[in-house]
This record gives sequence, C-alpha cells and structure tokens, in this order.
Amino acid sequence: EPEVTQTPSHQVTQMGQEVILRCVPISNHLYFYWYRQILGQKVEFLVSFYNNEISEKSEIFDDQFSVERPDGSNFTLKIRSTKLEDSAMYFCASREDRGDEQYFGPGTRLTVT
Amino acid sequence: AQSVTQLGSHVSVSEGALVLLRCNYSSSVPPYLFWYVQYPNQGLQLLLKYTSAATLVKGINGFEAEFKKSETSFHLTKPSAHMSDAAEYFCAVRRGGTSYGKLTFGQGTILTVHP
Repeated sequence: EPEVTQTPSHQVTQMGQEVILRCVPISNHLYFYWYRQILGQKVEFLVSFYNNEISEKSEIFDDQFSVERPDGSNFTLKIRSTKLEDSAMYFCASREDRGDEQYFGPGTRLTVT
Repeated sequence: AQSVTQLGSHVSVSEGALVLLRCNYSSSVPPYLFWYVQYPNQGLQLLLKYTSAATLVKGINGFEAEFKKSETSFHLTKPSAHMSDAAEYFCAVRRGGTSYGKLTFGQGTILTVHP
C-alpha cells in the first residue's frame, strides 16, 4: 500500500541553524500539508500546498518557515533559524484530488538545543 | 473557525470491555469529522470519517462513531477492547466543502487496555 515517507526520523540541531525536513507524499496526490505536535500538546496545522503554491497557512507559519516541492516527488519544510520552541514532531500529509482522507507520514522529531 | 475537545486525556479499559472515547466539536459550518489512531513511533492512521452521509460510520478494527449534530459530538466506540487497541486516538474536524481542508485536532486520548 502506498505511504507517505519522511526523513530523517530524528533531527537534532542547534538554535539558529537551518533545517530541512523532507517528505515524499503518495505519488498521485495533489494536496500536501505540514503539521506539528509539540510534546504534550495538540497536533497543529502549519501549512497546506496545492498547485505549487501555499493555499493556507497558520499563524505559526511565519517568515522563518518555507515549503517547497523541488521536484515531482519531494515536499520539504525549511526552518531558516531554529528556535528552542520549534522542537516538536513534524508530520507531513498528502491527499488525492477528490478524497477526504489525509494520509500521514511517521513524522520527524526535531530537537533544537 | 473549528475546534475539537476530547474529554479525557487517558482512558483505561479491560480487555473485552466497551471502549468509549469522547469528542465534541465546534464548527460554524457543517463539519467533516475524523478519528485517527497513532501507534508508538508511527504516523496518524485514519480510523473512520464522517462527511455528511450516514451519521453512524464504521471504521477499521471494529470501531464506529456516531455524528450527533444536536450534541455536537462524534464519540468513538468499540464493543470489545483488544490489547492491540492500545494507542493514542485523535479526533479532528475539517470545514466541510472546502478543497484545501486543514484538519483541526483535539488533544488526543491515550487508550490503555489491561488484561
């Protein structure tokens, strides 16, 4: 069964460094999402992406964040200058054109020290 | 705006007992509602969804949920718990009829099943 994959599974970085989290959505899906979950808190929406542009973003998704679909398979989330409060589990999800279900990847645990 | 409240961050049941995980939502427009399950070190897996068709929806692994508009609820049930049901469960709402469809999640309920 097709699945969403994410790399790396765990990323440790120092405050102020740039990180790129990578996702490979399911191949025929057209809608892409990033969510995050800070330890002990709710899963929060960050951004949705469709037709090579951001379709919606939350107030969390400020100028430090960016997303890109650099080729036909990858979907990336970049954090330009990480802060301690960016430490969280980041989930990528994708959805097909006429579907309701978002398929989630296993997540990348980002630890900022 | 949409929001979800899950009553009870931890629920513990005996194997074979009824599972009831509570979810209440708030939405200014007809909602789509979802239950996801997360096993340790895995992503979120869809259990079931309500998208304005039948109010009683059946999902995988014997789970079902009933959409009750008058109570703004979408509680998840399973008649008989199995040890393999131990996981964290998330209720989520999405604005119905939109294309992009961000999900708004509840805080999650950890289900423990003991022998």
